[in-house]
Amino acid sequence: DTAVSQTPKYLVTQMGNDKSIKCEQNLGHDTMYWYKQDSKKFLKIMFSYNNKELIINETVPNRFSPKSPDKAHLNLHINSLELGDSAVYFCASSQDIFGTQYFGPGTRLLVL
Amino acid sequence: GNSVTQMEGPVTLSEEAFLTINCTYTATGYPSLFWYVQYPGEGLQLLLKATKADDKGSNKGFEATYRKETTSFHLEKGSVQVSDSAVYFCALKETSGSRLTFGEGTQLTVNP
Repeated sequence: DTAVSQTPKYLVTQMGNDKSIKCEQNLGHDTMYWYKQDSKKFLKIMFSYNNKELIINETVPNRFSPKSPDKAHLNLHINSLELGDSAVYFCASSQDIFGTQYFGPGTRLLVL
Repeated sequence: GNSVTQMEGPVTLSEEAFLTINCTYTATGYPSLFWYVQYPGEGLQLLLKATKADDKGSNKGFEATYRKETTSFHLEKGSVQVSDSAVYFCALKETSGSRLTFGEGTQLTVNP
């Protein structure tokens, strides 16, 4: 009974490549999020979608582009990967914009 | 802006010791407060939450009380186990929005 799932779990790639991370939630939630956790474990929000509409867009390079094909999915596409993009990326969802957020298992991205 | 400050880690305890992890916050309005836990190699799990002053959140033997007068939400457990070894994150969310603001995380290691 996976609530928030992400694929892949691990991603190792070369600088300059383009990659995507997928997120799906089966909780029937309206709101989804992407967070980045750096090497010091610090967590920061990147994006949030509510009913497929972008509602939070933090200061993130435009190489990062979220896409929400439907309310249950929020994917993250990253162009021209850089060494500094190496991190753990967490997807989360909540019933609505006010609800408690539930996190996925994370995608560990390593850019070489 | 909003901020969350956690006690510096890492924290190392012996099994059955008493645990306190301090958390203080700065926010406008009346935020909801959360503790999340991240076990090694895993994603974030919601541990407990409190949505208004004097509320006490509790789960798995952990407790935290929302103290508006001291803007604090300290995490406590009376008797820790080896399986409690993890990183603990304090977080806040304003009632008017969806953005979670996290503290730096506190690494807890419990030795047998």
